[in-house]
Amino acid sequence: AQTVTQSQPEMSVQEAETVTLSCTYDTSENNYYLFWYKQPPSRQMILVIRQEAYKQQNATENRFSVNFQKAAKSFSLKISDSQLGDTAMYFCAFMKHEGRDDKIIFGKGTRLHILP
Amino acid sequence: DAGVTQSPTHLIKTRGQQVTLRCSPKSGHDTVSWYQQALGQGPQFIFQYYEEEERQRGNFPDRFSGHQFPNYSSELNVNALLLGDSALYLCASSQGLDRNYYNEQFFGPGTRLTVL
Repeated sequence: AQTVTQSQPEMSVQEAETVTLSCTYDTSENNYYLFWYKQPPSRQMILVIRQEAYKQQNATENRFSVNFQKAAKSFSLKISDSQLGDTAMYFCAFMKHEGRDDKIIFGKGTRLHILP
Repeated sequence: DAGVTQSPTHLIKTRGQQVTLRCSPKSGHDTVSWYQQALGQGPQFIFQYYEEEERQRGNFPDRFSGHQFPNYSSELNVNALLLGDSALYLCASSQGLDRNYYNEQFFGPGTRLTVL
């Protein structure tokens, strides 16, 4: 069974600073996807960034980038130039790269506060 | 495009009652997945519907059942409600025709169920 672990329940940073959220996972699969989702107070789960396990290059989306270490089963999210709108719960998540099983497995989340 | 919609927004029930939650998928999507998010936790996969049939199921008791209609909308039914069923129930839709490729799951805003 796959598991996703987020060891930081809560973090706070000043606006414009850079923050890194940590995530580790456990799987015996070789092909899979990893995600970071953002859930603001509005509750809408929004995909922030996706990483395919077979790609060595780390994914980036504007101010968001990941550090994917496949051997260490580590997948951290870096938010650069943080903004007040980045305040939210952030979930690390895993999905097999197999057609018949595309359920998403989530970690418990990290609550991120961006302070003015 | 209205995105994924869910109804109702909030719901209060008492123990032993039955509840039905509804989800309309994003335009063009034919697959609906349901997740339960307890307070302070990450979402957990309940089940997924495609072509009006349950295609995958997570570790949830038979009290949790679902249905998908020809227009791809879906219902989640929970019988004999327990206090522990209190949670945010999220619906996600995706395109399920070709599962050899990544199909992003788009989430709705959720239904907050409180069981008293």
